Amino acid sequence: KNEVEQSPQNLTAQEGEFITINCSYSVGISALHWLQQHPGGGIVSLFMLSSGKKKHGRLIATINIQEKHSSLHITASHPRDSAVYICAVSHNTNAGKSTFGDGTTLTVKP
Amino acid sequence: DGGITQSPKYLFRKEGQNVTLSCEQNLNHDAMYWYRQDPGQGLRLIYYSQIVNDFQKGDIAEGYSVSREKKESFPLTVTSAQKNPTAFYLCASNPNRAGANVLTFGAGSRLTVL
Repeated sequence: KNEVEQSPQNLTAQEGEFITINCSYSVGISALHWLQQHPGGGIVSLFMLSSGKKKHGRLIATINIQEKHSSLHITASHPRDSAVYICAVSHNTNAGKSTFGDGTTLTVKP
Repeated sequence: DGGITQSPKYLFRKEGQNVTLSCEQNLNHDAMYWYRQDPGQGLRLIYYSQIVNDFQKGDIAEGYSVSREKKESFPLTVTSAQKNPTAFYLCASNPNRAGANVLTFGAGSRLTVL
């Protein structure tokens, strides 16, 4: 079992839909990251969470430390949101090490 | 603007050749990382460095080498010993200080072995 599990693996939505991507982890963490990777490969950091909830525009990230679970929500989705979303955790036993989920491929259709 | 610069973006190599991928950051980050990404898989850690002149093997270090002679630079050499080097390589950095744990990524280098 991977240390970081994401679901779903693939997600197709219509423009305007509310989207949720889930991430569960099994190790002790100092922080959880949500990353976005567009075709072409560059990765952008969306959020870094250690507790609670963060919001940036139409994106919301939440984390439940007790349940070792995080969600990324996209409200009013748009085709430009189409990308791979990756959950990553920074280990609390080795702050320099991060483990990545396999990613969720999101396609938003107009 | 501060960030990470990786070069080259695309690289073709013949079997048996070593190649070096460049990673430079002007963020004054202490820690730097090299990851490999294969289709449908998560990023896997090759090497990381938390301080100048020191680096550690990651999960898939065989066939790779690195150096950290300067804080700003963390080049990765893909040697001929790497059996399946065709992949997308990502460099990242992190301040590595308490309360500052944000990962910043470069745009990546795509290596194809012919």
